[in-house]
Amino acid sequence: GQSLEQPSEVTAVEGAIVQINCTYQTSGFYGLSWYQQHDGGAPTFLSYNALDGLEETGRFSSFLSRSDSYGYLLLQELQMKDSASYFCAVREGTGGGNKLTFGTGTQLKVEL
Amino acid sequence: DAGVIQSPRHEVTEMGQEVTLRCKPISGHNSLFWYRQTMMRGLELLIYFNNNVPIDDSGMPEDRFSAKMPNASFSTLKIQPSEPRDSAVYFCASSFQGRGEQFFGPGTRLTVL
Repeated sequence: GQSLEQPSEVTAVEGAIVQINCTYQTSGFYGLSWYQQHDGGAPTFLSYNALDGLEETGRFSSFLSRSDSYGYLLLQELQMKDSASYFCAVREGTGGGNKLTFGTGTQLKVEL
Repeated sequence: DAGVIQSPRHEVTEMGQEVTLRCKPISGHNSLFWYRQTMMRGLELLIYFNNNVPIDDSGMPEDRFSAKMPNASFSTLKIQPSEPRDSAVYFCASSFQGRGEQFFGPGTRLTVL
């Protein structure tokens, strides 16, 4: 089967940089996605890595190493509004890999 | 764009009652997903459709759960009979098939008493 591991909680101060790691075990791997979810809200897409390397989108970057079954989400210049849960999700499966399996989420707390 | 639309947003029902959750995906998207989220089990995929056809329903917990997608713009998730352990937030999401980005609806918060 598939499994993903990510830390349950991370705390950082405003303006800092934080890295949220994700390791996975799966078959039929297509790529790794990251989602953000604020309390009471829906998951929203942040980034997707299909190939090894770093993808940058504004203050957020995501990295993937397929050989290590590992990825991370890097958040820079942290703001209070970044306090949320962050999920890594593996895109996998047959027929084009349309299925996402989510990790248990990392709750990020940004403090002053 | 209206985004993914779900109804109702909140549902409170009694054990044994039938519950129907509704979803309208983003126009043009050809994949639709139903998820359930609880504190204990996290975000679980229940079932997904490609081009209105169910592809993977391995996450559907038991026969009390059923899902349909009669056309490209509408899907339902039905629970009959409902039980207290079904209490959760149910999300519908849509995407273009084969893309890593899924767009989630606001969710339906279901409480079964």
